[in-house]
Amino acid sequence: GQQVMQIPQYQHVQEGEDFTTYCNSSTTLSNIQWYKQRPGGHPVFLIQLVKSGEVKKQKRLTFQFGEAKKNSSLHITATQTTDVGTYFCAGPPSGYALNFGKGTSLLVTP
Amino acid sequence: EAGVAQSPRYKIIEKRQSVAFWCNPISGHATLYWYQQILGQGPKLLIQFQNNGVVDDSQLPKDRFSAERLKGVDSTLKIQPAKLEDSAVYLCASRAAGGRETQYFGPGTRLLVL
Repeated sequence: GQQVMQIPQYQHVQEGEDFTTYCNSSTTLSNIQWYKQRPGGHPVFLIQLVKSGEVKKQKRLTFQFGEAKKNSSLHITATQTTDVGTYFCAGPPSGYALNFGKGTSLLVTP
Repeated sequence: EAGVAQSPRYKIIEKRQSVAFWCNPISGHATLYWYQQILGQGPKLLIQFQNNGVVDDSQLPKDRFSAERLKGVDSTLKIQPAKLEDSAVYLCASRAAGGRETQYFGPGTRLLVL
């Protein structure tokens, strides 16, 4: 079945540094979604990418969907302590059921 | 707009006991999902409902897990009997029919099986 891999598993940065997490799917995705989960919280939707090569920005966050629609990345510029949490990518192998990666846990120290 | 509601928020049981979780999705959302999230992992889909019908339950351990959504609104997930490895957070999510595919997650139920 489809597998979604994320790297790195953990990242520790100093506040102000940039951060990038990468997501790779074993199969082509119709779309990819990114979620953020704060410690002790539940996943919260960030964005959905649909088109090949699509790039979307949300303030300091930049999301990319690969040309082959099998990989994606999330880049945070100048991290802040509020960015702490686990970032998940998720893609539907079919229909709308999401297949989540294991996530990248980001720790930001002041 | 009210979010996805779940109860209880926490549950501690002993192995071989039974437990039930409840979810009330966002009003009007036809699709409801139950996920299991083990510590350090991403959510894993257990079952997906479209109104009151099951769309996907391929990863539901049917020998011990059951779920229903009788009137196409709220849903219950049951585990009987529970095993130690069932300790996890059980997340309910809902999605509106058509339009964006965004899933909205509830706060989850944290289950500890001793």
